[in-house]
Amino acid sequence: KNEVEQSPQNLTAQEGEFITINCSYSVGISALHWLQQHPGGGIVSLFMLSSGKKKHGRLIATINIQEKHSSLHITASHPRDSAVYICAVVSNFGNEKLTFGTGTRLTIIP
Amino acid sequence: DAGVTQSPTHLIKTRGQHVTLRCSPISGHKSVSWYQQVLGQGPQFIFQYYEKEERGRGNFPDRFSARQFPNYSSELNVNALLLGDSALYLCASSFDPSGGTDTQYFGPGTRLTVL
Repeated sequence: KNEVEQSPQNLTAQEGEFITINCSYSVGISALHWLQQHPGGGIVSLFMLSSGKKKHGRLIATINIQEKHSSLHITASHPRDSAVYICAVVSNFGNEKLTFGTGTRLTIIP
Repeated sequence: DAGVTQSPTHLIKTRGQHVTLRCSPISGHKSVSWYQQVLGQGPQFIFQYYEKEERGRGNFPDRFSARQFPNYSSELNVNALLLGDSALYLCASSFDPSGGTDTQYFGPGTRLTVL
């Protein structure tokens, strides 16, 4: 079992829909990252959080430490949101390296 | 201000050859991490360097090595290339030495193809 599991693996939605991507992890963590990867490979950091909720524009990230679960929400989705969304955790022991999920491929249809 | 830069962008090598990939962090960032991303999978941690010292190493063979220079740029070296080394190699920089508990700024990556 991977330390970081994401669901769904693929998601296709119509423009304007509310999107939720889930991330579950099995280890104690000190931080969780949400990243966006566009075709071609470039990765952009969206959020880093260790508790509660963060919001940036149409993006919202939440984390429940007790349940070892995080969600990324996109409101009023747009075709430019189409990308792979990756969850990564930093375990709270060891060398503080990032452990990544396999990503969720999101496609927003106009 | 320039972001993280990596060179080259694409590279084709044959099995058994050696490759050197380069990364320049954001100005002021002293931590550089390297990741390997095989097609269809999430990135895997290879190395982290801070102030020219290795701070972390992932589960990769000794064919993989890296170093960080006084200007905080970094090189990733891979010897005796195998077909399975074909991947996107990503570099990320951050200000904090922790590596993982600071916002990571990623470069565009180097796509390595081993034939």
